[in-house]
Amino acid sequence: NAGVMQNPRHLVRRRGQEARLRCSPMKGHSHVYWYRQLPEEGLKFMVYLQKENIIDESGMPKERFSAEFPKEGPSILRIQQVVRGDSAAYFCASSPGQGATDTQYFGPGTRLTVL
Amino acid sequence: EDQVTQSPEALRLQEGESSSLNCSYTVSGLRGLFWYRQDPGKGPEFLFTLYSAGEEKEKERLKATLTKKESFLHITAPKPEDSATYLCAVQGANQAGTALIFGKGTTLSVSS
Repeated sequence: NAGVMQNPRHLVRRRGQEARLRCSPMKGHSHVYWYRQLPEEGLKFMVYLQKENIIDESGMPKERFSAEFPKEGPSILRIQQVVRGDSAAYFCASSPGQGATDTQYFGPGTRLTVL
Repeated sequence: EDQVTQSPEALRLQEGESSSLNCSYTVSGLRGLFWYRQDPGKGPEFLFTLYSAGEEKEKERLKATLTKKESFLHITAPKPEDSATYLCAVQGANQAGTALIFGKGTTLSVSS
């Protein structure tokens, strides 16, 4: 399967714990995006990264959330000290980075539940 | 502020009953309009990209069109397997990166 891979698919955390979500882009893609889908809400952009660089984090909450895309390995979205309001589906997308209107291809998502 | 509104929120069709989904958008300098399909518990699946008014694209029973203010996704003779949530998204020129702005989607149910 050469698509975008995300793991884990489901993650349960208690309030105050840390959540780490991983995303491996499609082969040949160098751009990664993270989106969040809250119940009854549309997908909301969080952050856009290239290898070792955060390009646009305008959708990221100011506290507790961080993202990275290291030179080697998957992109990581980290949520520290999770609260119930963080429960949502988190989707990663990747694009080849060949132009300003690259098509973004989405992974299956990680469904985070905070108890 | 860039915005996307989809209508209707939900649509029920009989197999073979053609219809259209609407996506109205407000954006400063449209760079692209995207249609995705999302099945329950899965990620969005790419369908079409439209770049300029008057453009049309087709794939099987689906046809997407674009004007300066809205896009339509026409579904011809739908089948039960077309049941899904259809998402519209835009990319505006004033986005710092290439973030997509999504509508809330139209949930289509096709019964046999």
